Amino acid sequence: QKEVEQNSGPLSVPEGAIASLNCTYSDRGSQSFFWYRQYSGKSPELIMSIYSNGDKEDGRFTAQLNKASQYVSLLIRDSQPSDSATYLCAVEGMRFGAGTRLTVKP
Amino acid sequence: GAGVSQSPRYKVAKRGQDVALRCDPISGHVSLFWYQQALGQGPEFLTYFQNEAQLDKSGLPSDRFFAERPEGSVSTLKIQRTQQEDSAVYLCASSLAGVGETQYFGPGTRLLVL
Repeated sequence: QKEVEQNSGPLSVPEGAIASLNCTYSDRGSQSFFWYRQYSGKSPELIMSIYSNGDKEDGRFTAQLNKASQYVSLLIRDSQPSDSATYLCAVEGMRFGAGTRLTVKP
Repeated sequence: GAGVSQSPRYKVAKRGQDVALRCDPISGHVSLFWYQQALGQGPEFLTYFQNEAQLDKSGLPSDRFFAERPEGSVSTLKIQRTQQEDSAVYLCASSLAGVGETQYFGPGTRLLVL
């Protein structure tokens, strides 16, 4: 079992819809969680970090963390074609999932 | 301010050659990380420095891989006797403090071993 698991996708949503990305992790002691976006051929860039249970909102993005279930998710509201990318979940900064490829169709 | 820079951006090596990849972190960033990213995969952790100290090298796949950061700023990842399976993008990232902080990634070095 990998330390950080993500739905490999691809995930396709229509423009304006909500995209939901999920991530589970194996180390119960993990304290810091990150979502990165990676466009094809580019390096990852941070979307959000989350450290406490619950929701954290930043514009169209909401990260949700449930440490008891070892689960972290990212919701993208009003999805735009420019959101089409691979989304990487990172735990404790260093352990990355394989990423979920998101396509937002106009 | 300047971000993380890496050089070279592309490297083609013949199998068996040694290569050296350079990373210039953001000025003042204490921590520096190296990752290997294969096509279609997430970044795989290789090693981590805090200043000049290599605190974790558990991700280095073999003793052919060696990293250093002698003065606590620029870092070099060296791969000896390259193999075809070493072909990947090598990403460097830096953070202001430790592993729980946001990491800022460089553009990566794409290595192709023929």
